[in-house]
Amino acid sequence: EIVLTQSPGTLSLSPGERATLSCRASQSVSSNYLAWFQQKPGQAPRLLIYGASSRATGIPDRFSGSGSGTDFTLTISRLEPEDFAVYYCHQYGGSPYTFGQGTKLEIK
Amino acid sequence: EVQLVESGGGLVQPGGSLRLSCAGSGFTFSSYAMSWVRQVPGRGLEWVSATSGPGGSRYYADSVNGRFTISRDNSKNTLYLQMNSLRAEDTAVYYCAKSVGLTLYYYYMDVWGKGTTVTVSS
Repeated sequence: EIVLTQSPGTLSLSPGERATLSCRASQSVSSNYLAWFQQKPGQAPRLLIYGASSRATGIPDRFSGSGSGTDFTLTISRLEPEDFAVYYCHQYGGSPYTFGQGTKLEIK
Repeated sequence: EVQLVESGGGLVQPGGSLRLSCAGSGFTFSSYAMSWVRQVPGRGLEWVSATSGPGGSRYYADSVNGRFTISRDNSKNTLYLQMNSLRAEDTAVYYCAKSVGLTLYYYYMDVWGKGTTVTVSS
């Protein structure tokens, strides 16, 4: 099983700042089958990024993904008020599917 | 618009059973693998089970293997999760999610339902 470890657990930033979220895998993620989801309280997860760096339909270009192998990053270039939420990384290249434990992005 | 609507959650005693349903609309249901993912309130996400588009392939997390059964009725555009021998640790919000491919692996989940809550308690 591929274990995904996200850091930091909580990130406190202000609107307009840049956010950098990390996801580290316990073994190489096959062909960069790595996705990022955003989840707000009481809502379902929303797909942001797939294939480590491809933005999903309708996702603003302030969201970008990068990385390969075991180290992946989600960057939000300029935080908007609606971006404060919990973010999960997820690998879909190995059995079983696994998720990181999440990074909570909160307003400073 | 692609939409997934879960139902069937509720309160059940330990050792009991429950069947969840997920109705899909706005896409060709039989062409896509479907998954169940759960989330303990205030905690992270755990993939539970998945089935291929035609339904011939099924996959389970170790934590539910032998207790849960996933199935689908493509004529009704509906996904199911039969949950038996329920435990307190199965208490969670259960989401169904659509894959972008016919099979499970190598295809990400792009659309999720709003979830249905399962509570296992005496």
